[in-house]
Amino acid sequence: NAGVTQTPKFQVLKTGQSMTLQCAQDMNHEYMSWYRQDPGMGLRLIHYSVGAGITDQGEVPNGYNVSRSTTEDFPLRLLSAAPSQTSVYFCASSYGPGGPEAFFGQGTRLTVV
Amino acid sequence: KQEVTQIPAALSVPEGENLVLNCSFTDSAIYNLQWFRQDPGKGLTSLLLIQSSQREQTSGRLNASLDKSSGRSTLYIAASQPGDSATYLCAVSEGNQFYFGTGTSLTVIP
Repeated sequence: NAGVTQTPKFQVLKTGQSMTLQCAQDMNHEYMSWYRQDPGMGLRLIHYSVGAGITDQGEVPNGYNVSRSTTEDFPLRLLSAAPSQTSVYFCASSYGPGGPEAFFGQGTRLTVV
Repeated sequence: KQEVTQIPAALSVPEGENLVLNCSFTDSAIYNLQWFRQDPGKGLTSLLLIQSSQREQTSGRLNASLDKSSGRSTLYIAASQPGDSATYLCAVSEGNQFYFGTGTSLTVIP
């Protein structure tokens, strides 16, 4: 059982480049979300989805785009990378927004230079 | 907006000690509270989940309690071991998201 799989694990981008962080889960969870983790700030919600075709913004959505065409996949797109987007990104899934339990991927460490 | 605070930010204890990590939250209208462990450069591993109707959960040497009315949770670790060294995060589930504290970095000294 793979759980939540994120790719890539590490990425370096130049300012202005775009890229997609991939997230896939095999637990048939309806709820998926993306967080970024920055020192001293905890994890902050970027975007979330409550099911295929349904997405919404979280606390820090600017500069990011998401779509949910299948239950399994929830990619995060950086449209034009900025140094402020240097962070560790985590994808999570659960049966619903209230859990009961959230499962996390191993993270993507992104550096924008 | 829900705010989650964890105290202390860092803790260093000798092996074998029992210890308590604290988590407080501002809005009691939560679905559940979850404790996670994060090792350096790794993802989050779920340790314990407490539903809003529950008061505590136990797993091995770990015991987590929840007092919704006062907005507090504690994670008790018994007989600490060097392998317990990690960052411990608490998160509350409310509305459409989980709100995280900034974590407690625990070091257990052999």
